[in-house]
Amino acid sequence: DVKVTQSSRYLVKRTGEKVFLECVQDMDHENMFWYRQDPGLGLRLIYFSYDVKMKEKGDIPEGYSVSREKKERFSLILESASTNQTSMYLCASSGRLLAGSYEQYFGPGTRLTVT
Amino acid sequence: QKEVEQNSGPLSVPEGAIASLNCTYSDRGSQSFFWYRQYSGKSPELIMSIYSNGDKEDGRFTAQLNKASQYVSLLIRDSQPSDSATYLCALLPGGYQKVTFGTGTKLQVIP
Repeated sequence: DVKVTQSSRYLVKRTGEKVFLECVQDMDHENMFWYRQDPGLGLRLIYFSYDVKMKEKGDIPEGYSVSREKKERFSLILESASTNQTSMYLCASSGRLLAGSYEQYFGPGTRLTVT
Repeated sequence: QKEVEQNSGPLSVPEGAIASLNCTYSDRGSQSFFWYRQYSGKSPELIMSIYSNGDKEDGRFTAQLNKASQYVSLLIRDSQPSDSATYLCALLPGGYQKVTFGTGTKLQVIP
């Protein structure tokens, strides 16, 4: 079974703090993704990575950065947390597109509250 | 036009009935389609993927794809209260590596 783990289930941070969210997958997947999910807005892609040290902006990258130093680990960084970044953050991973399947598997999510 | 459209619901069905969830999409080049189930407060869980026209069955679940009409559906037979969740339709648009998700349909199975 694919396993995607995230460092925290719940996190409370203060405005202006630097926040690190970590994600680890054990399926040797090339692709990893960070989404946020808000009521009524669905899943929105923040960043994704298709290889170590590679990253691409998603639909809402402003205020976020990412790091992928190892294949299994993908970190999301909130440089200076703001209250509008209060959300559920979901990490996902998938195999390479050309492998013939592209199912994304999600971690349990981190519910971040910025006060 | 949204890339992936789903009725937000809620869709209410009695226990034991067939639940039919529908999704339409705009990109004719889309090749891969997925259904996820998401319980309240939890992360999405992959139920099925479908890549070619027709039906694909897995237990009580059947995914149906019609590329000519640009829709994909999920049928849940013998619906159970534990099937009550939000169901997300997702697809891989042509030429991209980023999956596009619909906003989901909330299903309520009434005992």
